[in-house]
Order: sequence, then structure tokens, then C-alpha cells
Amino acid sequence: DGGITQSPKYLFRKEGQNVTLSCEQNLNHDAMYWYRQDPGQGLRLIYYSQIVNDFQKGDIAEGYSVSREKKESFPLTVTSAQKNPTAFYLCASSTPGRGRENTEAFFGQGTRLTVV
Amino acid sequence: GNSVTQMEGPVTLSEEAFLTINCTYTATGYPSLFWYVQYPGEGLQLLLKATKADDKGSNKGFEATYRKETTSFHLEKGSVQVSDSAVYFCALTGSARQLTFGSGTQLTVLP
Repeated sequence: DGGITQSPKYLFRKEGQNVTLSCEQNLNHDAMYWYRQDPGQGLRLIYYSQIVNDFQKGDIAEGYSVSREKKESFPLTVTSAQKNPTAFYLCASSTPGRGRENTEAFFGQGTRLTVV
Repeated sequence: GNSVTQMEGPVTLSEEAFLTINCTYTATGYPSLFWYVQYPGEGLQLLLKATKADDKGSNKGFEATYRKETTSFHLEKGSVQVSDSAVYFCALTGSARQLTFGSGTQLTVLP
């Protein structure tokens, strides 16, 4: 079955550590996205990538880094520079439709990161 | 830039009540509009979508109509169930194909 997989589901980080969240998709989608969700709030865009080896900062990129070496994979690293990393992280992918139509995004199940 | 303004929650209804969650948007060009649903501890699932003016998206008894003249995409359901309890997000994609989300509306349906 095609889908988008995030791992791990739960992640604990000590202060000052970098951690990497995995996101893999087998939908053959060109675009991939990382969002952060805080309790009771909407989603904020961290980074996105429209094509392999290219990515752009979203609204809250500070303290995060990404890579897009393969079409299927878009890992997110939460660095020690991110001062408040405890949140729910969601990865998504999408692909352009024909003409003006934009297709919907498919989401992974999320990774809950907690700083201990 | 693009933005989505969504009715603030939480919303609490009794089973079989009528549901409306308001959503208005600001965007250039011809955005596509979406409603996503998020169950506790999970990612987002697409509920319905509309890609052009006057389109009606529908799924599982939920409906929303793309109203360009009022820049709105309100979500409705005639008779909610306990299993509909979740957080609902209105969203749009613009020319950059990024999803812009509303802040989400928590719906609780009581038996």
C-alpha cells in the first residue's frame, strides 16, 4: 500500500542534543513538507521541498534543518538551537495536478518529540 | 500572502445535531480548498476538497461549497455522530502548492 511513514512515533531528547525525525513516502510525490503542531493550535510550516536536492524555509525554520537527497525521503533534524522543540511534528507529501489544480497533501501519523 | 480564518472552537454538540464550521480565506489566483480531520494522536486525513468556484466537496455526510464571491468554504453536516469528534482544519493551496492551514476547530459530540 502506498503511504507516508514517519518514525519514531515518540521521541525524547535531552537538552542540547540534535535529533532526526524520519519521513519516507512511496507515493512517488515530488513535494514534501514538515509541519509543527503545538497543543490546541494549527500547523506551522517548517521546511518544504518541491524536488530532490532542493528545499525552502517555511515560516518557522530557525533551529531546524532538512535534506532531500532522495525523492522518497525528507528527514528533519531538530538542532540544539531550537529553544522550544517539544511539539507534534507532521510530514506530508503532495504532487502537482494538471493545469491549475493543486492536489491534496497526504500526511504521516506524526512524531511526538519531548525534551527531557 | 495566503491565509485561512477558521471558526474558533471548541464546539460541543449533541448527537444528531447540525454542524457548521465557518472558514474564510484570502488568496491570490485560484486556490484549491480542503477540509482535513485529525483524530487524537494521529496525522491529518483529507475529508473533502474543491478545486474551483461553486464546486461542492462531500464525504461521509460532510459537505462544503467553494464560494468565490464570499471567499468561504464552510463545513456542514446534517446529523453529527459521536465518532465525528475530532479537530477539523480548513486549508488551501496556492500557486506555490504549499498548504496554508486554519487554526483548527475542536468538535466534541456528546451521546
